[in-house]
Amino acid sequence: DIVMTQSPDSLAVSLGERATINCKSSQSLLFKSNGQNYLAWYQQKPGQPPKLLIYWASTRESGVPDRFSGGGSGTDFTLTISSLQADDVAVYYCQQYYDTPLTFGGGTKVEIK
Amino acid sequence: EVQLVESGGGLVQPGGSLRLSCAGSGFVFSDYWMSWVRQAPGKGLEWVANIKQDGSETYYVDSVKGRLIISRDNAKNSLDLQMNSLRAEDTALYYCARDLRSRSQFDIFDLWGQGTMVTVSS
Repeated sequence: DIVMTQSPDSLAVSLGERATINCKSSQSLLFKSNGQNYLAWYQQKPGQPPKLLIYWASTRESGVPDRFSGGGSGTDFTLTISSLQADDVAVYYCQQYYDTPLTFGGGTKVEIK
Repeated sequence: EVQLVESGGGLVQPGGSLRLSCAGSGFVFSDYWMSWVRQAPGKGLEWVANIKQDGSETYYVDSVKGRLIISRDNAKNSLDLQMNSLRAEDTALYYCARDLRSRSQFDIFDLWGQGTMVTVSS
């Protein structure tokens, strides 16, 4: 199974500042035949189901604010919130869809400092 | 409105059975791969199983193989999860989730239900 490791477990960022979340996979998620990284990011607010933010490591889902961006390739990925808003307080998960079983990272809780 | 609505959760004793359902509406249910994803209280997300558009292929996480069975009825726009031989570690909020693209398999989830809670305890 592909193990997804997120860091940090939690972070507190001031409003308007940058937040960066890391996600590392135990094997490469880059499918060489199409050059795509099989990595998605989700946001989960308390009492709500997860919401898809980004897939193919860097493609923003429709309607997601452009302050959210994804980067990285192979085994190392990042989710960046360029200017943290109060509405961004949530837990963020990465997910690999390179292979079954599909696996998620343990989550990163983002709070306001 | 495009939505998924789960039902069927509850309290069950270890070794017991439960059947969860998920009703899809507002989209062509039969065009999408569907999955069950669970979340234990205060914990992260765990993918459980998925099923192809026509039900001909199913896949499971190892910890549920032989105990949980995913199925679908496209005529009723319904996804089911038959849960047998339940264990305490199956206690979780169970979400059904839709694949991102119709008529394809991406295993990215763009539509989620609100979840149904399963508690396994004596």
